[in-house]
Amino acid sequence: GNSVTQMEGPVTLSEEAFLTINCTYTATGYPSLFWYVQYPGEGLQLLLKATKADDKGSNKGFEATYRKETTSFHLEKGSVQVSDSAVYFCALGPRSNTGKLIFGQGTTLQVKP
Amino acid sequence: GAVVSQHPSWVICKSGTSVKIECRSLDFQATTMFWYRQFPKQSLMLMATSNEGSKATYEQGVEKDKFLINHASLTLSTLTVTSAHPEDSSFYICSARDRGAGANYGYTFGSGTRLTVV
Repeated sequence: GNSVTQMEGPVTLSEEAFLTINCTYTATGYPSLFWYVQYPGEGLQLLLKATKADDKGSNKGFEATYRKETTSFHLEKGSVQVSDSAVYFCALGPRSNTGKLIFGQGTTLQVKP
Repeated sequence: GAVVSQHPSWVICKSGTSVKIECRSLDFQATTMFWYRQFPKQSLMLMATSNEGSKATYEQGVEKDKFLINHASLTLSTLTVTSAHPEDSSFYICSARDRGAGANYGYTFGSGTRLTVV
């Protein structure tokens, strides 16, 4: 079945450091891929998405490229800020309009000043 | 953009009572809504998929008589935790999909409900 695997956290970085959070997936067909961010005590916010192979999603300095050959969707940011501290979830969704999201286990990012 | 309103944001109830959580799509119609449960420092566990006008589809291991889901309109789904017990304490999050979204569909999440059963 479909599944998503994220790198284990927590990830602790200093401000302005480069961030990579790895995400790989297993899926049948051609899913869409998402990154969501969850701040403490809140729901999830969509950070970025890609709907087909080689697409690059980007938002707020974060980027991720849909790599079909390596079944990956790694999240990157060139210079993190303290305000980026949160839990990041990689997710996989079907291309149909009725399917459900499959989440990775989440990666906690802590950015120190 | 699409907004999903979830209420209450937190609730404390006594063991044995029932609690209702509402999830509303404010500016779009949601044919499908999803209910998740999240334990501390863990990922989201899908509990059920709620379809407007029909019975919810529950994931394996989720008690449908315990967690009642009603999706009576295109903008409202409710989750009722019946006869709550301390082990039901958790963070519950709903998500909705825009009925009008095409290939570029999106899932919008509510802000979550922290349920504490004492």
